Amino acid sequence: EAQVTQNPRYLITVTGKKLTVTCSQNMNHEYMSWYRQDPGLGLRQIYYSMNVEVTDKGDVPEGYKVSRKEKRNFPLILESPSPNQTSLYFCASAWGGGGAGELFFGEGSRLTVL
Amino acid sequence: EDKVVQSPLSLVVHEGDTVTLNCSYEVTNFRSLLWYKQEKKAPTFLFMLTSSGIEKKSGRLSSILDKKELFSILNITATQTGDSAIYLCAVVNTDKLIFGTGTRLQVFP
Repeated sequence: EAQVTQNPRYLITVTGKKLTVTCSQNMNHEYMSWYRQDPGLGLRQIYYSMNVEVTDKGDVPEGYKVSRKEKRNFPLILESPSPNQTSLYFCASAWGGGGAGELFFGEGSRLTVL
Repeated sequence: EDKVVQSPLSLVVHEGDTVTLNCSYEVTNFRSLLWYKQEKKAPTFLFMLTSSGIEKKSGRLSSILDKKELFSILNITATQTGDSAIYLCAVVNTDKLIFGTGTRLQVFP
């Protein structure tokens, strides 16, 4: 089954404790992206990747890191989480660039930073 | 600054009503406009629009794009309770998707 898988789905952590949210897709998509969704602000892009070893900042990259060492994986790293990073995070993938077609979303990861 | 604005923010209707959701945008390098439906989990794809004036249709849902006036509408006819969701509009600017804040639709029996 074609899917984007994120882990963990739910996480409560404390300020400053490094964490990684993994994202994996099995559709051989070139494009992958991370979004955060907050009430009243909609979905905002954090980072995106056009292909292996190619990553670019989105609209809200501060406090986050990403890597794209393999085509299927695109982990999101919070080196020192802060309470303002409490949010619902979505990973997504697509063929080609972000506008080349349908964006497939993962199920979301709800992160709470205390 | 690129932006996507959706209206209304929230809509409450009865089953059988027809609704129109609006999405206006200002972006520097428009490639396409996409509509998504978000229920409790991840957004699911509805439509992608690239050309003005060509209606896309799927069952009771339809959408059209006006690239001159920079907006799109999503119509839902004969609404059902299962249509209750947040509807998201996103515009592709080169390689970035810019999302609107969404319209929350609630359909009551």
